[in-house]
Amino acid sequence: EPEVTQTPSHQVTQMGQEVILRCVPISNHLYFYWYRQILGQKVEFLVSFYNNEISEKSEIFDDQFSVERPDGSNFTLKIRSTKLEDSAMYFCASSEVQETQYFGPGTRLLVL
Amino acid sequence: KQEVTQIPAALSVPEGENLVLNCSFTDSAIYNLQWFRQDPGKGLTSLLLIQSSQREQTSGRLNASLDKSSGRSTLYIAASQPGDSATYLCAVRVMVGATNKLIFGTGTLLAVQP
Repeated sequence: EPEVTQTPSHQVTQMGQEVILRCVPISNHLYFYWYRQILGQKVEFLVSFYNNEISEKSEIFDDQFSVERPDGSNFTLKIRSTKLEDSAMYFCASSEVQETQYFGPGTRLLVL
Repeated sequence: KQEVTQIPAALSVPEGENLVLNCSFTDSAIYNLQWFRQDPGKGLTSLLLIQSSQREQTSGRLNASLDKSSGRSTLYIAASQPGDSATYLCAVRVMVGATNKLIFGTGTLLAVQP
């Protein structure tokens, strides 16, 4: 069964460093998303992406964040200058049209 | 602003019991509602999706209902098993503009005792 994959599974970085989180969505899906979950808190929407552009973003998704679909398969989330409060589990999701969203296993980011 | 709440926050039941998890949302203008399972430190597994026009969906031992007008959904798990132990999340897709974002509840942590 097709699934969303994410790499790396864990990432430890120093405050101020750039990180790139990678996702491979399900191949025939057209909508892509990033969510995050700070430990012990709700899953929060960050951004959605369709037709090679951002279709919606939350107030969390400030200028330090960017997304890209550099080729036909990968979907990336970049954090330019990480802060301690960026430590969280980051989930990528994809959907075919605007229905069920399928989530990846997540990348656990720890900023020291 | 849409708020999603789940009760109880945690639930422990003996194996074999039937149980109900509750989800409520403040704005009834939703497009659909999705139930997920999350195992510790892992991703989200989609269990059921109910469209706003539907009243319930079933998959195996799971049955989800939706009462949009009252802002409620329930997830019924029949004959619970230890393997059902996980956190269960509900999420709504709001019907505002062209948004696809999901708004999540805080989850119910379920423990099924063998």
